[in-house]
Amino acid sequence: KNEVEQSPQNLTAQEGEFITINCSYSVGISALHWLQQHPGGGIVSLFMLSSGKKKHGRLIATINIQEKHSSLHITASHPRDSAVYICATSSGSARQLTFGSGTQLTVLP
Amino acid sequence: DTGVSQDPRHKITKRGQNVTFRCDPISEHNRLYWYRQTLGQGPEFLTYFQNEAQLEKSRLLSDRFSAERPKGSFSTLEIQRTEQGDSAMYLCASSLGAGPNRLGNQPQHFGDGTRLSIL
Repeated sequence: KNEVEQSPQNLTAQEGEFITINCSYSVGISALHWLQQHPGGGIVSLFMLSSGKKKHGRLIATINIQEKHSSLHITASHPRDSAVYICATSSGSARQLTFGSGTQLTVLP
Repeated sequence: DTGVSQDPRHKITKRGQNVTFRCDPISEHNRLYWYRQTLGQGPEFLTYFQNEAQLEKSRLLSDRFSAERPKGSFSTLEIQRTEQGDSAMYLCASSLGAGPNRLGNQPQHFGDGTRLSIL
């Protein structure tokens, strides 16, 4: 069974800081996903990657397949980035997601 | 809005009652997933449909739970004889499946969830 571990569990930053959230998993996967969840429950997919690095605006996601590790970086953080960031892996024929427990990010003005 | 929609957003019911939730996926998506999320945790997989066929079920899906997707479009999740431990957010997601010019990995699009509270 795949185990997905995220760190840190909680993160508080000042506006403008560079933020890193880490994710490790235990078995081979088809893809790794980074998602954002706001209060109230809605989940938005930020990235899906199976190798290398992807960038979208101020967000960067990287994955190291050999190390079974991924990171999500936020440059020039802003209070509107405050949310729960969740790492998930997909595997199997159904590609169902196995989720980490999330990182609560709070960016202070 | 052509995103995934779930109904109702909130459901409060007494222990022992039956509840049914509905999910309308993005119209061209043939894959549909149900997940459950308890407070402070990441979501957990419950079940998966490809078109109308239910192809995978988690061990979390006890005999009191049943899910259908009768015409390969919307899906329902029913919980019979609800228990306190069923209190959670129930999330639906949909995605495209593999195709001639499309890999098997596709991003999943989530609804806003149905929050179930058992009194």
